[in-house]
Amino acid sequence: AQSVTQLGSHVSVSEGALVLLRCNYSSSVPPYLFWYVQYPNQGLQLLLKYTTGATLVKGINGFEAEFKKSETSFHLTKPSAHMSDAAEYFCAVSDPVDFGNEKLTFGTGTRLTIIP
Amino acid sequence: DSGVTQTPKHLITATGQRVTLRCSPRSGDLSVYWYQQSLDQGLQFLIQYYNGEERAKGNILERFSAQQFPDLHSELNLSSLELGDSALYFCASSEGPDTQYFGPGTRLTVL
Repeated sequence: AQSVTQLGSHVSVSEGALVLLRCNYSSSVPPYLFWYVQYPNQGLQLLLKYTTGATLVKGINGFEAEFKKSETSFHLTKPSAHMSDAAEYFCAVSDPVDFGNEKLTFGTGTRLTIIP
Repeated sequence: DSGVTQTPKHLITATGQRVTLRCSPRSGDLSVYWYQQSLDQGLQFLIQYYNGEERAKGNILERFSAQQFPDLHSELNLSSLELGDSALYFCASSEGPDTQYFGPGTRLTVL
């Protein structure tokens, strides 16, 4: 079974500082990995994804993440935080080999607060 | 806007009642997924349909059921509602295994 661990349920950074949200996964096969963002009272928006190929993936709003197989990690970063980045961020994993069962397994989420 | 629509946006009902949540996937997407988001359980996969057929089941209670219709819209039926069923219910759709697009959700409150 797959699982996702997000270290830190709450992260606070100053505006303009580096954002680092941590995600580690457990999977028996190379997974597909995703980061979603949820703004208050809204649905989930895809930030970026890793399926195959280049391990450094760039997403929307200046975010990027690097797939590190040896560390089973997929940490999300942004060089300079903006006030509009305040939201809840979810890391998710799916099993691309389990054809027909593409469910997402989510981490518990990290609430990002930006300090002016 | 993801292209996935869900109705209603909010639903308030009483224990023991039955409700139906509706989802329209993005144009062309054959797969529909239902997820539940609650404070104590987080985001959990409930069930997946592909082109009208059930494809995968997750932590879905027996009191809950779903279906996907020929026009590909889907409904999630929740019956004998309990206080603990209060949650946000999301629908997502995809055309392949690598990206799911989420709707805005239905917030269910059971009083």
